[in-house]
Amino acid sequence: GEDVEQSLFLSVREGDSSVINCTYTDSSSTYLYWYKQEPGAGLQLLTYIFSNMDMKQDQRLTVLLNKKDKHLSLRIADTQTGDSAIYFCAETSLSSNTGKLIFGQGTTLQVKP
Amino acid sequence: SQTIHQWPATLVQPVGSPLSLECTVEGTSNPNLYWYRQAAGRGLQLLFYSVGIGQISSEVPQNLSASRPQDRQFILSSKKLLLSDSGFYLCAWSVASVREQYFGPGTRLTVT
Repeated sequence: GEDVEQSLFLSVREGDSSVINCTYTDSSSTYLYWYKQEPGAGLQLLTYIFSNMDMKQDQRLTVLLNKKDKHLSLRIADTQTGDSAIYFCAETSLSSNTGKLIFGQGTTLQVKP
Repeated sequence: SQTIHQWPATLVQPVGSPLSLECTVEGTSNPNLYWYRQAAGRGLQLLFYSVGIGQISSEVPQNLSASRPQDRQFILSSKKLLLSDSGFYLCAWSVASVREQYFGPGTRLTVT
């Protein structure tokens, strides 16, 4: 079945770049997403990438997709303490007419001042 | 603009009591609606989704149920709560033709 895997924890210093990685198994994945969850809050959609793209950049965020290896990454430049949160990778497929998302377990990003 | 509301924000209920969580969406019509559960601050498990009024699909067998009495209202219910029902419940919506899902603020349920 479909599966999305992420490492559970990442610690960086303020001002450094953070790279959060994700792998997925569904070869028919067409949209891949990054969500951010701050403590006690819902999920905030950060960005997403369509599977025919290799890269997408949005201000401090860069998403890289290696479709051959089924690997997705999120790079946060100049990481700030406000970036501390759990980051979820998710995927969906056009074959899913419900738009159902499959989520990873989330990566906790800790930013040290 | 579209907004999504959930209530209550927090809830403490004894084992065996009933449950009703509500989710409403404003600013859009005929959205796809979803209920997720997040246990212990980790991954999200899809519980139910709905593509229209009265149309509910269940992803996992459990003692929870969902209903969609109105286009933009999604309700999660239980007749008798179990300890294992504790968690953070998130509602989400999407436009059927677009693939982004937007989440509500969530309800923290503690079953004691």
